[in-house]
Amino acid sequence: GAVVSQHPSWVICKSGTSVKIECRSLDFQATTMFWYRQFPKQSLMLMATSNEGSKATYEQGVEKDKFLINHASLTLSTLTVTSAHPEDSSFYICSARVPLGSTETQYFGPGTRLLVL
Amino acid sequence: AQSVTQPDIHITVSEGASLELRCNYSYGATPYLFWYVQSPGQGLQLLLKYFSGDTLVQGIKGFEAEFKRSQSSFNLRKPSVHWSDAAEYFCAVGGGATNKLIFGTGTLLAVQP
Repeated sequence: GAVVSQHPSWVICKSGTSVKIECRSLDFQATTMFWYRQFPKQSLMLMATSNEGSKATYEQGVEKDKFLINHASLTLSTLTVTSAHPEDSSFYICSARVPLGSTETQYFGPGTRLLVL
Repeated sequence: AQSVTQPDIHITVSEGASLELRCNYSYGATPYLFWYVQSPGQGLQLLLKYFSGDTLVQGIKGFEAEFKRSQSSFNLRKPSVHWSDAAEYFCAVGGGATNKLIFGTGTLLAVQP
């Protein structure tokens, strides 16, 4: 149980285009999902908390207009990197929180590698 | 400030040897503590977690960790390492209403044959 998927697993795009990354909880409903960014040989940095039915909460320094998050349903959150630039190239990982009432644990997706040319 | 420190950036052990990865944390309240493993190019897999109760917790793949409040530590151990354990290991602390996780910088484990 507690499987999280991401799509696509990797994407290459041209500078200036937008890229959408999907995060799905496959066997449970997640009212809260998290988006992380990981640079090579570095740890995960939380970008934002995605709440179903409400606006995402962004961490300090993360541009809301650049990284659009939509949590449209209890099993799907999307991250759209708008007007992507080479410095946005990174590994993006989402996680989904197991619902309240059980132990508070985040389960992670396999990640999406973005390369902006 | 809340933080997690993994002092060892890189560790190499021989296959069959024991392993201990260190993790120290700074957290204002009672922490929830986690160890995750990440294989190259992959997401994170939960190895084990501590919320309360017995301070020695067992996880998957033969790993265990011990919570020591007096030392603010949550070290990960395995009695006999297998080549497939080569990966990067992240310690994380979280809790509270937001359940945000704060990750350490990770320890890259290499296993020698």
